[in-house]
Amino acid sequence: SYDLTQPPSVSVSPGQTASIPCFGDELESKYVCWYQQKPGQSPVLLIYQDTKRPSGIPERFSGSNSGNTATLTIRGTQAVDEADYYCQAWDSAPVGVFGGGTKLTVL
Amino acid sequence: QLQLQESGPGLVRSSETLSLTCTVSGGSVSSSSYFWGWIRQPPGKGLEWIGTIYYSGGTYYNPSLRSRVIISIDTSKNQFSLKLTSVTAADTAVYYCARHETSKGSGHYSWGQGTLVTVSS
Repeated sequence: SYDLTQPPSVSVSPGQTASIPCFGDELESKYVCWYQQKPGQSPVLLIYQDTKRPSGIPERFSGSNSGNTATLTIRGTQAVDEADYYCQAWDSAPVGVFGGGTKLTVL
Repeated sequence: QLQLQESGPGLVRSSETLSLTCTVSGGSVSSSSYFWGWIRQPPGKGLEWIGTIYYSGGTYYNPSLRSRVIISIDTSKNQFSLKLTSVTAADTAVYYCARHETSKGSGHYSWGQGTLVTVSS
């Protein structure tokens, strides 16, 4: 089965840019989605099809996917962005797989 | 507005079968534009994709769970369900139902609130 790897934690200062990577073999050949999850809440879809944002998601969230790495970028990070972030890819569609998650700390 | 609501026992005995239902309102499970899926999250851990079903009954499962999972759909009740057999403590988790579009690369845009299922010995 296909595996996605994320760093357990990333730290960023308020107002700076946070980058959260997601690693997988030939990941660029698959579409990647990103989710934000805050404690006690259901995940929220931030990015789909590598780079697209659903309506209502702030423009400071963006995604990219190249080679073996997909990246979620948060520009002008705010305290409200402190949360767990998960990447998700479709293996043999539509069989999904999640990364292990990254805890973003805004210091 | 689409709403998904999980329901089922919060406590299941080890070796028995976990059964959950997701009731959909504000939308139809008979739509050809969507898949209906299950995702779980053990306490303090990450998300795990379980499987998904299409309105026609076609199913796709996580290979690591395939031997124990059955997802079904009831279009007359606008519901879909999850059965997980031979459960152990490792199956203790918050179980979410969610919807994703059929278009390639779509994400799970709509989620239920989740329901905690504890497996007891």
